[in-house]
Amino acid sequence: DAMVIQNPRYQVTQFGKPVTLSCSQTLNHNVMYWYQQKSSQAPKLLFHYYDKDFNNEADTPDNFQSRRPNTSFCFLDIRSPGLGDAAMYLCATSRRDGYYNEQFFGPGTRLTVL
Amino acid sequence: SQQGEEDPQALSIQEGENATMNCSYKTSINNLQWYRQNSGRGLVHLILIRSNEREKHSGRLRVTLDTSKKSSSLLITASRAADTASYFCATVRKGGSEKLVFGKGMKLTVNP
Repeated sequence: DAMVIQNPRYQVTQFGKPVTLSCSQTLNHNVMYWYQQKSSQAPKLLFHYYDKDFNNEADTPDNFQSRRPNTSFCFLDIRSPGLGDAAMYLCATSRRDGYYNEQFFGPGTRLTVL
Repeated sequence: SQQGEEDPQALSIQEGENATMNCSYKTSINNLQWYRQNSGRGLVHLILIRSNEREKHSGRLRVTLDTSKKSSSLLITASRAADTASYFCATVRKGGSEKLVFGKGMKLTVNP
């Protein structure tokens, strides 16, 4: 089945130790998104790619970076995680074809910062 | 920034009852979408309604959109315990990009 896959599902890191979360998709969608979601809150968009074009949200900290080496994969790098970065990180994809369509979400990676 | 606001923020009903959730937003939109999120999981897309549509159905779901009032409602008929989840409305702004702006979400509990 076509899907959005996130690895790992759970990630524990230490304060200040860089961490990379990965997302892959088999949907061949041209848009990929990264969201941060804290407990009982709505997902907050960090950035997204439309094809190779990177779109950063104005309030996304510089500590968060992203890479999209090809259509299928997208990575979220947190350069120096702080305690406040503990959250669920959600990857999503969508197909933009002249219409704005629904997003397909992965299961998320829960990040713990010790 | 969040645009949508769901109302009520929490709803508890008995299995078999209908559940209605409302969403208000602030700017002109291209479309409005509803998502469900089970605890600790990713979001699942439920239904998308475009700005030129007024009502849409999908199984036990019925969505309405009133662009003059900038509001939408999601009706789940004959609810089941498995419908217990958080529900979010999200909008794509008119003239904007492919970004979704999420509301705060609403927690629905369906008691067996």
